[in-house]
Amino acid sequence: NAGVTQTPKFQVLKTGQSMTLQCAQDMNHEYMSWYRQDPGMGLRLIHYSVGAGITDQGEVPNGYNVSRSTTEDFPLRLLSAAPSQTSVYFCASSYQPSSGGAETQYFGPGTRLLVL
Amino acid sequence: GESVGLHLPTLSVQEGDNSIINCAYSNSASDYFIWYKQESGKGPQFIIDIRSNMDKRQGQRVTVLLNKTVKHLSLQIAATQPGDSAVYFCAEKSGNTPLVFGKGTRLSVIA
Repeated sequence: NAGVTQTPKFQVLKTGQSMTLQCAQDMNHEYMSWYRQDPGMGLRLIHYSVGAGITDQGEVPNGYNVSRSTTEDFPLRLLSAAPSQTSVYFCASSYQPSSGGAETQYFGPGTRLLVL
Repeated sequence: GESVGLHLPTLSVQEGDNSIINCAYSNSASDYFIWYKQESGKGPQFIIDIRSNMDKRQGQRVTVLLNKTVKHLSLQIAATQPGDSAVYFCAEKSGNTPLVFGKGTRLSVIA
């Protein structure tokens, strides 16, 4: 299994440009999430999905859109990039064990985005 | 609102010593807590978790302690090695709500 993959690894945008950060997982996980990580801020949840066709907002959703048309893919769209969106973006997937055990998140390697 | 936080942003330890990373939480309804390790340039990796009805859980060289009375969680790493240098995050999970992460503690191992 490749686990969670993210593309691109690095991206430079100009203010106002739009782009899509790709995320895919091959573990058939129900849950997928997008986080941004800024220095000293830890991981902040942008959007998440509990299954195909279902998405919800996290802590910092403004300026981002998501969709979940398949179990495998969960792209994150920046509609009009702003310098405040300069960050490292992590995608994660997880599942809830039927035994009631802990949900474990698997993170991708991250996308480093710079908005000028 | 509920939050997960950390007492110390940085921790330096000598190689071979034990490390203790602390975390405070405020959600008394949390079902379980998880520790993640993030090495430079990589995504966070699961280390160990503990259910809220437990006080202690041990893994390989790591032990997590949970004190529900004072809402405190700690990660103990035995015989710390250079490869343990990373940022460590605690996170809490409650019901079907998403994981809530703390801000992280940077562990630096001095050879």
